[in-house]
Formats: sequence, structure tokens, C-alpha cells
Amino acid sequence: EVQLVESGGGLVQPGRSLKLSCAASGFTFSDYNMAWVRQAPKKGLEWVATIIYDGSRTYYRDSVKGRFTISRDNAKSTLYLQMDSLRSEETATYYCATQDWAFNWFAYWGQGTLVTVSS
Amino acid sequence: DVQMTQSPSYLAASPGESVSISCKASKSISNNLAWYQEKPGKANKLLIHSGSTLQSGTPSRFSGSGSGTDFTLTIRSLEFEDFAVYYCQQYNEYPLTFGSGTKLEIK
Repeated sequence: EVQLVESGGGLVQPGRSLKLSCAASGFTFSDYNMAWVRQAPKKGLEWVATIIYDGSRTYYRDSVKGRFTISRDNAKSTLYLQMDSLRSEETATYYCATQDWAFNWFAYWGQGTLVTVSS
Repeated sequence: DVQMTQSPSYLAASPGESVSISCKASKSISNNLAWYQEKPGKANKLLIHSGSTLQSGTPSRFSGSGSGTDFTLTIRSLEFEDFAVYYCQQYNEYPLTFGSGTKLEIK
């Protein structure tokens, strides 16, 4: 059974940093592209970043470029999201998801970790 | 960016009825569209990809149609477990974008 378990969320002040993790199991992690998708309270889904299966390429939405870094450790089957210079409007539940290697739909999702950016 | 306009944002129906949800892209995305179901306390579920291909495990009462800019998710003979929030997503190009969601509630 595919499992994606996010962790690392919490309360952080604006301008500070936070690093999220996503532990994967039940599938061959190194074969899959992975992504982070977020959802602000009472809002819809918003794609954040994608990393190719071997870590060779990454993609980001414009609003997080230069501040967020997606990475992975295939030996540990773990996905990461380093978030720097956080803004209050980035308060959201952050989900990790598997992303199809040929097409970019999200087949499996975690249950998310809540990040609250507030002073 | 490709804007995805989803409608209605809210829909009330009774078990046994059929409903349709519309998703319109701001430019052609071929058939590069997926549909997801969101339920409280559960991981989001991929229902349909490629506009009309049911993901393994998706009940046959769900169907998707459309190509280009106009897409529809139809659920026939609603069951209680279908009352949820539904999102469309285009994956034709980055940034990947979602519709704003449709909340399907029991009438």
C-alpha cells in the first residue's frame, strides 16, 4: 500500500524558515517524480514544486522561486521542502504527492502537514 | 499560466441522482486534465486522468469527457460516499493549475 506521511509543519514567524519532510513507503520511491501541493485554509489546491525521480530537475511556481527548495533522498525514500523567507499568505496545509513520470497528474497524496506563518 | 474555471462551486443533490461539474481551461490543454476527490480526513484521490480515463479503483458511475478547453465530470446514481469536494487539474504545462473546486453536498 502506498503511504506518504508529511511532517515538519508548525507555527513559524514571517521571514523565517521551515523544512518539511515526506516519508514514502509501499512503492519504489526512486522511480517516481514527486511534488508538493498546498492548500490555504478554506481555499483550493495550489501546486508548489516538482522534482524528477533522480533529482536532476526541479520545477517551481513563480511565487516560491528562490525561496523554496525541493529535494529528495532516494536512499531514505524521503522528499523534502525547504521553505525560506516565509510569508503569511503561505499559511496552508502542504501535501506531498507522486507525480506521473510521463504526464503530470498526482496519483497518490499524503494527508498533509499544516504550516502557519504568523507573528 | 493556464487558468482553470470550475463550476458550479457548490452543488446539492440526492443519492441516486446524477450530477455534472464543468471545468474550462483558458487555453487548449488537449486532454491533459485530471479530476480529484477530496474528503475530510482522507488523502486526495485521483479519479480520472487524460480527460476520460478512469484511474484504477474509480467506480464506473464516474465519467469524464471533453478535450481542448471544455471538460465535464459526471457522476451517475450518486452514492453517499460521493459527497465530497471535486477538483480539476491541468497538466499540459507548468505551472500545474487546479480549478477552484466544487463542493457536492447532500440535498
